[in-house]
Amino acid sequence: AQSVTQPDIHITVSEGASLELRCNYSYGATPYLFWYVQSPGQGLQLLLKYFSGDTLVQGIKGFEAEFKRSQSSFNLRKPSVHWSDAAEYFCAAGNQAGTALIFGKGTTLSVSS
Amino acid sequence: NAGVTQTPKFRVLKTGQSMTLLCAQDMNHEYMYWYRQDPGMGLRLIHYSVGEGTTAKGEVPDGYNVSRLKKQNFLLGLESAAPSQTSVYFCAVRDRGYGYTFGSGTRLTVV
Repeated sequence: AQSVTQPDIHITVSEGASLELRCNYSYGATPYLFWYVQSPGQGLQLLLKYFSGDTLVQGIKGFEAEFKRSQSSFNLRKPSVHWSDAAEYFCAAGNQAGTALIFGKGTTLSVSS
Repeated sequence: NAGVTQTPKFRVLKTGQSMTLLCAQDMNHEYMYWYRQDPGMGLRLIHYSVGEGTTAKGEVPDGYNVSRLKKQNFLLGLESAAPSQTSVYFCAVRDRGYGYTFGSGTRLTVV
């Protein structure tokens, strides 16, 4: 069955420190991969997406993600975290057929000063 | 979330009551989806539609019905609301470039 796994439920990072959020997928073929961010009480904002080509994808707000086919991973990174990055982050996978996005359960990021 | 409008934004229902959530798009896209979001569960697909007049079940369809009579609108109905349906509901639209636009959500409480 297709699935997206985010192994970390909650992560705390010091402001200014680097960040890596993990995402692993199980899919029949190379999926389209997405990272979304959600602030409390808000909707989902797309950070970045990967369809094909260069495996390092740049997104908004200084985020990037790297697709590693051999590890079935699509980890999200940021070199220096800001307090405003505190939110919940979702990894999602889809395909060209467009049946639906499958979401991970999310990782909550807290930023300490 | 320009282009995808969900109404209402908030609603409180009593157990057994019915209601309809509306998702409206102004982008003329074929694919529309209804998700529910619960703490620690991520977003789970309820129903989806690949075009006007079509609907299909997702991961958690029980207790919900949908209709896509017009291309622009995707309706999610609860015939007899239950406390387990307390959730935040999101509508999404997929464009031809495989990008997904989400509505701002409907927060539903069933008491």
